[in-house]
Amino acid sequence: EPEVTQTPSHQVTQMGQEVILRCVPISNHLYFYWYRQILGQKVEFLVSFYNNEISEKSEIFDDQFSVERPDGSNFTLKIRSTKLEDSAMYFCASTGQASNQPQHFGDGTRLSIL
Amino acid sequence: SQQGEEDPQALSIQEGENATMNCSYKTSINNLQWYRQNSGRGLVHLILIRSNEREKHSGRLRVTLDTSKKSSSLLITASRAADTASYFCAFPVSSGSARQLTFGSGTQLTVLP
Repeated sequence: EPEVTQTPSHQVTQMGQEVILRCVPISNHLYFYWYRQILGQKVEFLVSFYNNEISEKSEIFDDQFSVERPDGSNFTLKIRSTKLEDSAMYFCASTGQASNQPQHFGDGTRLSIL
Repeated sequence: SQQGEEDPQALSIQEGENATMNCSYKTSINNLQWYRQNSGRGLVHLILIRSNEREKHSGRLRVTLDTSKKSSSLLITASRAADTASYFCAFPVSSGSARQLTFGSGTQLTVLP
């Protein structure tokens, strides 16, 4: 069964540094998402991407965040200047065109900011 | 708030028993989804129930949806130790085409062998 894959599985970065989290969504999917989960808390929506542009973003997704789909397969989340509070699990998800479809999640990237 | 709330927050049962988790929400929804998360891992989709459905089965899983009460339940029958995980309800908050999911707070299920 097709999967959403994320790399790296764990990223450790100094505060203030830039990080890029990578995702390969399921190939025929059209909607792409990033979510985050701070340890012990619920999963929170960050941003959705459709037709090569951001369709929705949450309050968390401020100017230090950006997303890109540089080619036909990768979907990336960049955090420009990381803060301690950015430490979390970051999940990528994708879904197809039809409504009432589940989202398929990757295994996540654990981001640790030192 | 459009967030979902789940209860109980934690549930501990013996293998072979049934586990029931509940989810409440505040907004109108097109569907409600249940996901499972093993510790430190990603979210695995379990089942999706549409707003015009009242009950759905998948193997040992049974999901109900009551749109008048804005609530859903997930029943796992004949539980196994391998069912130990966190379970989340989620529903799309549709704004245009986005369909991003809002997640509940989750139930941590522990099945004791």
